[in-house]
Amino acid sequence: NAGVTQTPKFRILKIGQSMTLQCAQDMNHNYMYWYRQDPGMGLKLIYYSVGAGITDKGEVPNGYNVSRSTTEDFPLRLELAAPSQTSVYFCASSYSRLAGGRDIQYFGAGTRLSVL
Amino acid sequence: AQSVAQPEDQVNVAEGNPLTVKCTYSVSGNPYLFWYVQYPNRGLQFLLKYITGDNLVKGSYGFEAEFNKSQTSFHLKKPSALVSDSALYFCAVRDISDYKLSFGAGTTVTVRA
Repeated sequence: NAGVTQTPKFRILKIGQSMTLQCAQDMNHNYMYWYRQDPGMGLKLIYYSVGAGITDKGEVPNGYNVSRSTTEDFPLRLELAAPSQTSVYFCASSYSRLAGGRDIQYFGAGTRLSVL
Repeated sequence: AQSVAQPEDQVNVAEGNPLTVKCTYSVSGNPYLFWYVQYPNRGLQFLLKYITGDNLVKGSYGFEAEFNKSQTSFHLKKPSALVSDSALYFCAVRDISDYKLSFGAGTTVTVRA
């Protein structure tokens, strides 16, 4: 049972470069999320998706884009990398927002990104 | 708006002693509350949650948390800490009308042998 898989684990980018962080889940979860984790700041929501074809902005969406063409995949795109995007990025998924809390989020192992 | 505060950046305890990690929250409606743990170079793992019902919630690895509505708190506790409990702990909250979680800044727990 793979759960949530993120690739790559590490990446160094130059300012202005672009890249896509991949995220895939095999639990048939309809909700997926992208967070960034900065030291002492907890996790900040970048984008989320409630199902294939539906995405929306979180707290810190500037500089990022997402797409959700399938239930399984939720890639995060950085178009013009900036030093402020140096962070650890986590993808998560959950089943639903049904009452009763069937919405435990399952996290990937993270992608550590440095923009120099 | 919803938010979470974890007032302690670090908690240090000796193995075998009780462990408490504090969390207070703010939501406009009724809260759903969660604790997650993060080990080095890993993603967050779910520990326990409070949705409704009994204010004392039991979770994985011997952890429990007590929901206190009047104090808007959801402190994480373990009666006897282990060295392997050393990790980063996050409290999270969401309003029942929303599905986006708000996380605290995290508390680093160090259990010394």
